[in-house]
Parts: sequence; C-alpha cells; structure tokens
Amino acid sequence: GEQVEQLPSILRVQEGSSASINCSYEDSASNYFPWYKQEPGENPKLIIDIRSNMERKQIQELIVLLDKKAKRFSLHITDTQPGDSAMYFCAASAYNAGAKLTFGGGTRLTVRP
Amino acid sequence: SVLLYQKPNRDICQSGTSLKIQCVADSQVVSMFWYQQFQEQSLMLMATANEGSEATYESGFTKDKFPISRPNLTFSTLTVNNARPGDSSIYFCSSRAGTNNERLFFGHGTKLSVL
Repeated sequence: GEQVEQLPSILRVQEGSSASINCSYEDSASNYFPWYKQEPGENPKLIIDIRSNMERKQIQELIVLLDKKAKRFSLHITDTQPGDSAMYFCAASAYNAGAKLTFGGGTRLTVRP
Repeated sequence: SVLLYQKPNRDICQSGTSLKIQCVADSQVVSMFWYQQFQEQSLMLMATANEGSEATYESGFTKDKFPISRPNLTFSTLTVNNARPGDSSIYFCSSRAGTNNERLFFGHGTKLSVL
C-alpha cells in the first residue's frame, strides 16, 4: 500500500516568516494530495489540496507544490501567524470515492510571536 | 462537503468491556472510513465500510476486535471489543465528498479512555 513520509516532525518559526513542510510518497497511482490542519481537541480540517494534473496551487497564504516525477509535494505557509500553530498532515490517495487516504506522520508547527 | 456526527464525543470504560461509536452523515456517502489517532500522532486507517458488505480492515485491525457495521448510506458504527488501555485514543469516522468525491471530511471524533 501507499506510504507517505512527512518532514520535519517539529517546526518552529518566527511570526511573519515562511514555514515549509515536505512529503514524499511511493505509489505512482496516487493522484490526489490534500493537506490537513488539526488544532488541539479538534478534528483534522482540509486546508488545501492538489491533483496530479497540477504542479502548483495557492490559496491565500498557502502554497502547495507537486513534483510527480520525484513523488514529492510540499506545503508552504507564507507570512505565518500565531493562529497557524497546529498539527499539519499531508496525505495521498487515488482520486475516487472509495479510495483510502494515507497520511504522513504529521508536523507540529509553532509560530512564535 | 459532508457533515459527520459522532456519538459519544468521549467515553471512559473499564478494561474488558465493549463500547460502540456511532457515525451519522448528513447525506448519503459511498464509503465511510474509520481512523484511529493516538495523542500527537498521525491518523491510522482502521477500515473502510461500504453499505451492505463487510468492512475491509487494514493491517493490525481485525473485525473481531473492531467490528464495524454499515447498514445504510448515512450510518456506521464502530465497536471496540474487550477494550484495553492501549485502545485509548481518538476514533474518527470520515467520508469523501465534493464535486468528484475526492475530499475527505472527518467527524469530530470520539475520545476513548480505557482504565
């Protein structure tokens, strides 16, 4: 089955700087790559996703890059704010209703004021 | 999107007992996925449940320990049998929705503590 590796596991940045999280996957059949943010005591919430027919997607301060050849994708948060502090998970799957999503190990992001 | 309601929000039980977690979707969904999450760790897929068929379990999870029912397209239950302290974690039901059913949405989770 699919394996997703996520680095770093802990990330601390200064408010206003950028934060980057990197993921790699193994299964070339994976074509859908979402990112989730999970705050303490909450469920994971989808913040941005990218399909394999794209290389870059941006929603406000969130940028996702996908390199299919290298089987890597990454999340970049520009101009970080304390409210961005949370656990972040990348994931990979095939693109259909019954396909299971495999998650990376998670990154604990702390944004220092 | 799809809204998923889980019940109970949290539970405390004694070792050796069983408990049931319910998940209700606000619309019909093809598959429901159950995930387990230990404190500060990732989400581990336990099983996939489709209506009218036996759930498909991932490695490390069995139907004897975690029986799952999926009687219709909006409902699923996860049972934790013979609960042990090592089962203490958060259990999430989830389902895919969206224009092409690609996006996975989670219920609010059930935090289980086994004494």
